[in-house]
Amino acid sequence: GAVVSQHPSWVICKSGTSVKIECRSLDFQATTMFWYRQFPKQSLMLMATSNEGSKATYEQGVEKDKFLINHASLTLSTLTVTSAHPEDSSFYICSAPDRGLGGANVLTFGAGSRLTVL
Amino acid sequence: AQSVTQPDIHITVSEGASLELRCNYSYGATPYLFWYVQSPGQGLQLLLKYFSGDTLVQGIKGFEAEFKRSQSSFNLRKPSVHWSDAAEYFCAVGYTGTASKLTFGTGTRLQVTL
Repeated sequence: GAVVSQHPSWVICKSGTSVKIECRSLDFQATTMFWYRQFPKQSLMLMATSNEGSKATYEQGVEKDKFLINHASLTLSTLTVTSAHPEDSSFYICSAPDRGLGGANVLTFGAGSRLTVL
Repeated sequence: AQSVTQPDIHITVSEGASLELRCNYSYGATPYLFWYVQSPGQGLQLLLKYFSGDTLVQGIKGFEAEFKRSQSSFNLRKPSVHWSDAAEYFCAVGYTGTASKLTFGTGTRLQVTL
């Protein structure tokens, strides 16, 4: 089946630095990808929709200058957490719709990236 | 706007017992409904989905779910739980017009006792 790969799985950084997380669709093309954020023992909150070749669409309350999203190709979207602070520590999960599963509304998720900001 | 409610935060069942996880949604039209499972520190795996047609849908790992429009529910069931089913379960709703944009419930953590 469809696979979405995220890298890195774990990242620890110092406060004030920037961290990039990659999301790749391995065996299918994705013009759209979704970035979610999950706090411990909580649900997934949609942060933004990444659109290949155009600007990302951010959900209300998400700082676009803090969370930079780039969707440079049909298989790669990146999320950069800029000037990270401890409150940005979270589990970030990307997903992409896989039409092979029966329609545009079925998401395949990456394994997630755990960010810890010291 | 659509919303999803999972009223049970935490459920404990004995191995071999039956399981039902509740999910209620709020949406004006016919929704697309999903159940995902998440193991600790992992991403989400799709268990099953409902788009249209037969309201009882079968999924992987022996799970099934039934769409009941009159109750706005999409409860997940399994007749006999295995210890490996212990995980977090998320119900999600999608809608037409915006491909794949899902709203998730708060999740139900399933603990299985031996």
